[in-house]
Amino acid sequence: GAGVSQSPSNKVTEKGKDVELRCDPISGHTALYWYRQSLGQGLEFLIYFQGNSAPDKSGLPSDRFSAERTGGSVSTLTIQRTQQEDSAVYLCASSGPGTGVLETQYFGPGTRLLVL
Amino acid sequence: KNEVEQSPQNLTAQEGEFITINCSYSVGISALHWLQQHPGGGIVSLFMLSSGKKKHGRLIATINIQEKHSSLHITASHPRDSAVYICAVALNNTDKLIFGTGTRLQVFP
Repeated sequence: GAGVSQSPSNKVTEKGKDVELRCDPISGHTALYWYRQSLGQGLEFLIYFQGNSAPDKSGLPSDRFSAERTGGSVSTLTIQRTQQEDSAVYLCASSGPGTGVLETQYFGPGTRLLVL
Repeated sequence: KNEVEQSPQNLTAQEGEFITINCSYSVGISALHWLQQHPGGGIVSLFMLSSGKKKHGRLIATINIQEKHSSLHITASHPRDSAVYICAVALNNTDKLIFGTGTRLQVFP
């Protein structure tokens, strides 16, 4: 079937605005990750969802960042009151049916966010 | 000091050469992943290792848990192998991956 999809592919916003980034994982995958890749930096873990368990939010950089996963499928990452340092590529990955870190992760194409 | 270190940071090779990329880590892990990021940005998972060695086509990945070290080898390299190769480790008792900063490989014809 289809791979992981993300939308939008690019987003330009003004400082202080809120943005929502969407991830559609591979059907049947129970684990879903959000990562961030800032320009010239490595990948950074943000949040992890596994089935119906409480998400691991330990990587979220501030309380302006939140994410939800509805019905165990689609996930939305929300950034409130965006700052210029939020500019990055936001990547989503999914895996399953087991534990995400012990299985192959399938990455989406990413959303490139630019905060002016 | 980063918990995951890769070397070299940049690597150039002639087509056909044998390539080795190294990854060292300083934490207890349950698994190690090798990823490939193409120039367009897309990321593909190459291997997930918890011990020993895995092979897929011209790619070989090994891990030595005692020495906290992994290597990714590419045999008979080709220009299409040009990409950034990223090592990531899964911390023990967590569901998080910590990433190295990547090795940029360019293979020239």
